[in-house]
Amino acid sequence: DTGVSQDPRHKITKRGQNVTFRCDPISEHNRLYWYRQTLGQGPEFLTYFQNEAQLEKSRLLSDRFSAERPKGSFSTLEIQRTEQGDSAMYLCASSLAGGEAYGYTFGSGTRLTVV
Amino acid sequence: KNEVEQSPQNLTAQEGEFITINCSYSVGISALHWLQQHPGGGIVSLFMLSSGKKKHGRLIATINIQEKHSSLHITASHPRDSAVYICAVRSKTSGSRLTFGEGTQLTVNP
Repeated sequence: DTGVSQDPRHKITKRGQNVTFRCDPISEHNRLYWYRQTLGQGPEFLTYFQNEAQLEKSRLLSDRFSAERPKGSFSTLEIQRTEQGDSAMYLCASSLAGGEAYGYTFGSGTRLTVV
Repeated sequence: KNEVEQSPQNLTAQEGEFITINCSYSVGISALHWLQQHPGGGIVSLFMLSSGKKKHGRLIATINIQEKHSSLHITASHPRDSAVYICAVRSKTSGSRLTFGEGTQLTVNP
């Protein structure tokens, strides 16, 4: 297992286009989190899954954002009709439910630039 | 006011100096994390604390639960320590998600 993988690493898109990011967590981890980080700020929580169930969504996650984890393994985060304000680093992390005492593992992030 | 506040925001040091980064939080927590983020964006977990003190190599992290304060110390700093250091907490009421500070940009000059 090579840790948490995110794809793509970088994405440049025109305003109004849809984009989709993928996260592959550590295989034994049943919790998966999405965070967004803008320049000079700490990450902000977007949503998290336990297995395939989306347990919590932040108010930051507008109607243009949707996340799925269909088989409880990888997850996708889609942004529809992108806006310049969506430009950020999108980070994925995973953990074991009840095992947060052992910490979280983060991916390298997907950097989105909306032009 | 953010739930997690870090200081300083930026820190420049000379190689070999002892460095301290501070984190204060305003909520009851289950655990506090210190994380390191390099320019590429990936985040590496350094420490997870719920009490006391932990040490790993030249890094030391302490936490005072009563005062809601934690510090990250780097002894004998080196240019390769240059990174953003982020404090994050898992609050008792927020399930398993983390709330992050804004980070401290550390630059260690040779």
